[in-house]
Amino acid sequence: GAGVSQSPSNKVTEKGKDVELRCDPISGHTALYWYRQSLGQGLEFLIYFQGNSAPDKSGLPSDRFSAERTGGSVSTLTIQRTQQEDSAVYLCASSLGGGGVGTEAFFGQGTRLTVV
Amino acid sequence: AQTVTQSQPEMSVQEAETVTLSCTYDTSESDYYLFWYKQPPSRQMILVIRQEAYKQQNATENRFSVNFQKAAKSFSLKISDSQLGDAAMYFCAYRSVSVGTYKYIFGTGTRLKVLA
Repeated sequence: GAGVSQSPSNKVTEKGKDVELRCDPISGHTALYWYRQSLGQGLEFLIYFQGNSAPDKSGLPSDRFSAERTGGSVSTLTIQRTQQEDSAVYLCASSLGGGGVGTEAFFGQGTRLTVV
Repeated sequence: AQTVTQSQPEMSVQEAETVTLSCTYDTSESDYYLFWYKQPPSRQMILVIRQEAYKQQNATENRFSVNFQKAAKSFSLKISDSQLGDAAMYFCAYRSVSVGTYKYIFGTGTRLKVLA
């Protein structure tokens, strides 16, 4: 596609429910990133994919968070048993690859998650 | 581990004037990339400028330029002839080129206000 697409744009869920956030990267981009941005804060790294594998998932805050990527393309971030502190904007980004190749990360517009 | 620090939570500039946003970082690596991203209220992160650490020449993009001081680990952004459309959050980011560590590390951001 023309850019990184994330869905839904906004999600309101009840505490304790599971949610799935979707990211569709730019076609041909092998690297994919998930970040979390709490209100007025910076970007907190969650996980990085290269192809379908995740060499760095050090930022996932707890085992309630998981992510997968299939076909080297679409990625899904799943949050189980949501808590109010999970409320944030979840940003997805993609880039051409690792190392010095295509270092610019292109971002989606994010999913604003509100846990009530 | 690498860190990025933006010590100015908020800055203001008069339209048509020049403003400089500060960023410092910490790393033991000799080669890496540095970025400035802009995030307007739409949440869409947009790349402003990129600097490769092995290049001594400071990057410029139209009204945007950087002052890259590698020894001091400083990477400031200068915006000349400020325009109302420059109002946004600005994030400084670091990216390693070492295998397996390609995540982008962001600072906490500086909110730039442009006064008419």
